[in-house]
Amino acid sequence: DADVTQTPRNRITKTGKRIMLECSQTKGHDRMYWYRQDPGLGLRLIYYSFDVKDINKGEISDGYSVSRQAQAKFSLSLESAIPNQTALYFCATSDRLLETGELFFGEGSRLTVL
Amino acid sequence: GNSVTQMEGPVTLSEEAFLTINCTYTATGYPSLFWYVQYPGEGLQLLLKATKADDKGSNKGFEATYRKETTSFHLEKGSVQVSDSAVYFCALSLTGGGNKLTFGTGTQLKVEL
Repeated sequence: DADVTQTPRNRITKTGKRIMLECSQTKGHDRMYWYRQDPGLGLRLIYYSFDVKDINKGEISDGYSVSRQAQAKFSLSLESAIPNQTALYFCATSDRLLETGELFFGEGSRLTVL
Repeated sequence: GNSVTQMEGPVTLSEEAFLTINCTYTATGYPSLFWYVQYPGEGLQLLLKATKADDKGSNKGFEATYRKETTSFHLEKGSVQVSDSAVYFCALSLTGGGNKLTFGTGTQLKVEL
């Protein structure tokens, strides 16, 4: 089983719908992140959380919200999806005791907004 | 602000060819530098890293040297294989930055027989 699991892996939805992407991890890491990947733009940070009570905006948080339900779970919500939120979304984790920059990524959730 | 610039792809090579993927950065302070690799249908995984100037990171035959004077961290491999076909991302993080990475746009590598 993967250490970082994302659900759903693929989702097609319509403009205006609410969408939640979920992430769970078994690595025991405190830190969790949501990135989106777009062709030609690389990965951009949406939100990050250093523990259950610490949630921070990344560089492109507008239109998104997150919830850290437990140390192992971090979900990303799109309250009213729009087509330019079509992208590949990645959850990642890291260990606060190791400021090494190594992130552990899930396999991604591909979201298409029609 | 912090940024990473890497060469556009796709890069197409024959098996056993020499690979270079260029990466330059701008950063406030002294960043750590990374190369991540994304194989088809998978998430990113760390390939190698360097945390200070003149350090060389290496893994699976890939190497990159942290060059402060040229603000570069170019990825090289002497002899690529078909299995190296993937997208390669250069990235940086700042000390005390909570492992928040700034990524380049990615370079797709295709290796053909």
